[in-house]
Amino acid sequence: NAGVTQTPKFQVLKTGQSMTLQCAQDMNHNSMYWYRQDPGMGLRLIYYSASEGTTDKGEVPNGYNVSRLNKREFSLRLESAAPSQTSVYFCASSLGQAGSPLHFGNGTRLTVT
Amino acid sequence: SQQGEEDPQALSIQEGENATMNCSYKTSINNLQWYRQNSGRGLVHLILIRSNEREKHSGRLRVTLDTSKKSSSLLITASRAADTASYFCATVPMNRDDKIIFGKGTRLHILP
Repeated sequence: NAGVTQTPKFQVLKTGQSMTLQCAQDMNHNSMYWYRQDPGMGLRLIYYSASEGTTDKGEVPNGYNVSRLNKREFSLRLESAAPSQTSVYFCASSLGQAGSPLHFGNGTRLTVT
Repeated sequence: SQQGEEDPQALSIQEGENATMNCSYKTSINNLQWYRQNSGRGLVHLILIRSNEREKHSGRLRVTLDTSKKSSSLLITASRAADTASYFCATVPMNRDDKIIFGKGTRLHILP
């Protein structure tokens, strides 16, 4: 049982390049989330998907887009990467019922130069 | 803005001692959750306490919730080296239970 799988684990981009972070879960969870974690800032919610077919902005959505491809997969796209997007990105999933606990992937460490 | 704020930011204690971390939040909540993060890894859910509960236990973990003070505490008893990690509280707002908002975390270091 893999849980939440994120790819890639590491990525270096130049300013202006684009990329998509992939996330898949095998727990039949309804809700999926993207967070970024920066030193001293904790985790901040970028986008979330409460159920298949829906997405909504979180606290820091600017510069990102998401796609809930199906119930299993939720991708995060950076169209034109900026150094301020250097961070560790975590995908998470949950049953989505009344604040049920999140299950996290192991993160993607992204550096934008 | 972030909902929960942990205190202290960092804590070092001797193995075998108890560790207490606190979390304060701003608005009414559905529930509050505590997570652990080992270095280089994702967060792992530890315990959830609902707004109508005051205390909850899980193994060596004890969580309290005071909704009148909008605060929670996590107590780890008889600490072990393996407890070295960052601990985060996360709040689920009362009317937005599809959002979980994290604090900045407490870095706990257990000294041998």
